[in-house]
Amino acid sequence: GAGVSQTPSNKVTEKGKYVELRCDPISGHTALYWYRQSLGQGPEFLIYFQGTGAADDSGLPNDRFFAVRPEGSVSTLKIQRTERGDSAVYLCASSPGTHPSTDTQYFGPGTRLTVL
Amino acid sequence: GQQVMQIPQYQHVQEGEDFTTYCNSSTTLSNIQWYKQRPGGHPVFLIQLVKSGEVKKQKRLTFQFGEAKKNSSLHITATQTTDVGTYFCVNTNAGKSTFGDGTTLTVKP
Repeated sequence: GAGVSQTPSNKVTEKGKYVELRCDPISGHTALYWYRQSLGQGPEFLIYFQGTGAADDSGLPNDRFFAVRPEGSVSTLKIQRTERGDSAVYLCASSPGTHPSTDTQYFGPGTRLTVL
Repeated sequence: GQQVMQIPQYQHVQEGEDFTTYCNSSTTLSNIQWYKQRPGGHPVFLIQLVKSGEVKKQKRLTFQFGEAKKNSSLHITATQTTDVGTYFCVNTNAGKSTFGDGTTLTVKP
């Protein structure tokens, strides 16, 4: 079946602009996660959704970052007033959602964001 | 999740040699997952360990969870070029996952 998909695969923007990154999880997965990965580092947790609600958004670095999942499926990560330090690969993952601490997470290919 | 430290950061081996990466925490972990990320790819789940002293094997890969549940290891026997990539240990607590910084393995044919 289809895996997790993310669009766009690459996004180049200018400092100060607004960007939206989209994630389509595996059908039927109620849990969805966003991560940010910088070169040479492990993925850094941003936010975790269970259904439509954000169960844990403690990883969002500041109020420029916001994520939604209005119908419990597709999610959008929104970044306002982008800064050069926001440049990274943004990864999305989904899981069945039955056991949040032990479910296997299935990752998408990521969106590479470059802020000039 | 709780912070996990991984060593070494990089490991370069000759094909056929063994490889081990270690994951350590200062606190007791409820679980450890291991993921592999190929160059240019995304993390892919390998295994999960939840019990003290647990050992699991997948072909040439052996995963261990320490008795005190504060450390874990991944050992690869007789590495192959297909083993190249970065191996991450991960702790997940109530949906929040904390990744180590990974060990990047390169294999010389």
